[in-house]
Amino acid sequence: DTEVTQTPKHLVMGMTNKKSLKCEQHMGHRAMYWYKQKAKKPPELMFVYSYEKLSINESVPSRFSPECPNSSLLNLHLHALQPEDSALYLCASSPQPAGGRYEQFFGPGTRLTVL
Amino acid sequence: SQQGEEDPQALSIQEGENATMNCSYKTSINNLQWYRQNSGRGLVHLILIRSNEREKHSGRLRVTLDTSKKSSSLLITASRAADTASYFCATEAGATNKLIFGTGTLLAVQP
Repeated sequence: DTEVTQTPKHLVMGMTNKKSLKCEQHMGHRAMYWYKQKAKKPPELMFVYSYEKLSINESVPSRFSPECPNSSLLNLHLHALQPEDSALYLCASSPQPAGGRYEQFFGPGTRLTVL
Repeated sequence: SQQGEEDPQALSIQEGENATMNCSYKTSINNLQWYRQNSGRGLVHLILIRSNEREKHSGRLRVTLDTSKKSSSLLITASRAADTASYFCATEAGATNKLIFGTGTLLAVQP
């Protein structure tokens, strides 16, 4: 299985809602990533998990809360988001947390709209 | 910042023609990667070239790397309508384990 899956595909939420994005991989990868991508822009790194521990937080606002329950799962908990947080949220994994030395496998993304 | 600048921002060609995209970056790198993204979807890894390599091929793709000029190019030969996508270069920012994506080139291949 060489796939990264993400659910849901689309999410619409109000600014007072709490929701979660889910990402799963069964390739035995030890690094997992969350990216945010606005329209016509490159993906921007948000968080990196290395061996199930948070290793990089790119100064992301606390209304985004990542969680890695096990080596295959990555969640992104959302609370009190702003309309400007509307974007495509991409999850990725790589065999090791080695930045550019390994290719990253991306999921199809969750299209988030905050009203 | 390390972010790569890609050129051109957009490229429109006819099927069968070749497409060339360029990426420039600012700091020294160990590796450079190219990814493709179909509209609104996840990214797909195309090729990784190491700093001690000058050229790499994969099917219809040819990537070159010039570390002295801090630049890379991606050539797609005999393009097809299915090659229509955005193409991003990506580099690791120092030893930070972070992959930083360039600004991207939007390629449109007309049938």
